[in-house]
Amino acid sequence: KAGVTQTPRYLIKTRGQQVTLSCSPISGHRSVSWYQQTPGQGLQFLFEYFSETQRNKGNFPGRFSGRQFSNSRSEMNVSTLELGDSALYLCASSLGTENTEAFFGQGTRLTVV
Amino acid sequence: QKEVEQDPGPLSVPEGAIVSLNCTYSNSAFQYFMWYRQYSRKGPELLMYTYSSGNKEDGRFTAQVDKSSKYISLFIRDSQPSDSATYLCAMSGDNYGQNFVFGPGTRLSVLP
Repeated sequence: KAGVTQTPRYLIKTRGQQVTLSCSPISGHRSVSWYQQTPGQGLQFLFEYFSETQRNKGNFPGRFSGRQFSNSRSEMNVSTLELGDSALYLCASSLGTENTEAFFGQGTRLTVV
Repeated sequence: QKEVEQDPGPLSVPEGAIVSLNCTYSNSAFQYFMWYRQYSRKGPELLMYTYSSGNKEDGRFTAQVDKSSKYISLFIRDSQPSDSATYLCAMSGDNYGQNFVFGPGTRLSVLP
């Protein structure tokens, strides 16, 4: 069974630009969560989507947004990029029902210059 | 004080040793506990998932949760060089949501 697929794997963007990252969950999984990983802050929760609705949200500014499509694929958008947005962005896929495990993709490494 | 604390290491052990990795937390609402292994430049890989207090074993890995002490552990028996990675604990209090709080990770090196 295919795992969680994130595209692209690497991105370089200029400050002020916007970026869209994509995540395809494991087949049958309806929940997709997004995390930001940096050396200083570690892994931090951004938001979770379940059945096309945002179910949970972390403590990030409104420049970070997401959405989920009817096939459970999810996209994350960051507008007006800042240097501090450089990070590994990870998505996690789960069934989304009670007490279920989450599986991560390989991540998208975003560099803002 | 951070919500989840974890010794960052690095921790170096000889091949074959028993490794003990630990996390402490402050939020008594946490009831789901996970351990992930992350190799350099890769996504985290789920190792163990436990609910509430108790022990769980899977091959060379044993996870322990002590909610009364707000303390969780991961033991690795017969450690191998391929176990060299960063180990992340994660926890959640949400029955359905996947909004985990992660520890900063412990870097482990198993020396041949």
